[in-house]
Amino acid sequence: GAVVSQHPSRVICKSGTSVKIECRSLDFQATTMFWYRQFPKQSLMLMATSNEGSKATYEQGVEKDKFLINHASLTLSTLTVTSAHPEDSSFYICSARVVRGGAEETQYFGPGTRLLVL
Amino acid sequence: SQQGEEDPQALSIQEGENATMNCSYKTSINNLQWYRQNSGRGLVHLILIRSNEREKHSGRLRVTLDTSKKSSSLLITASRAADTASYFCATGGTSYGKLTFGQGTILTVHP
Repeated sequence: GAVVSQHPSRVICKSGTSVKIECRSLDFQATTMFWYRQFPKQSLMLMATSNEGSKATYEQGVEKDKFLINHASLTLSTLTVTSAHPEDSSFYICSARVVRGGAEETQYFGPGTRLLVL
Repeated sequence: SQQGEEDPQALSIQEGENATMNCSYKTSINNLQWYRQNSGRGLVHLILIRSNEREKHSGRLRVTLDTSKKSSSLLITASRAADTASYFCATGGTSYGKLTFGQGTILTVHP
């Protein structure tokens, strides 16, 4: 099956620093990747849609200058949390969209990155 | 905002019993998917059911979809301790590729 990796799996940083999270599709190409945020015991909240070669589409309420997304290739999307603050501490998960025959599509998820901002 | 609402929020059963989780949604959909998440991990895709399908099976999983009631259910038969996880429904709508997740059901299967 399709495999999506994320790096790092866990990061601790000081307030005010920037953190970059990578999302890679390992055995397939993904023109579209998604970034989610998940707080403890809550569901996933879509932050943005990352499209290869074009600007990301952000969901309402998500600051595009705060969460920079770059989808430079068909196998890599990056999320940079700029000037991170403690309230940015969360579990960040990416997914890659796979379209099969007809209208059937699904998303394959990365293992997530736990960010802790001190 | 999250479209889906799932119930129960938490379900605790014994190994061998069946587990049923329900999901309701509000807008029209193209498909509905169920995902599983082990604690602190990413999501694993379980099953997709299209809006023109009513029931689908995969191993010990059975999913139903009632578009008139805007609801779906996930049944796990003969549960195992390894089934302990959070289960989320997600709807795919007119925004191509985007998924909207439900709040999830935390399933605990006691050995």
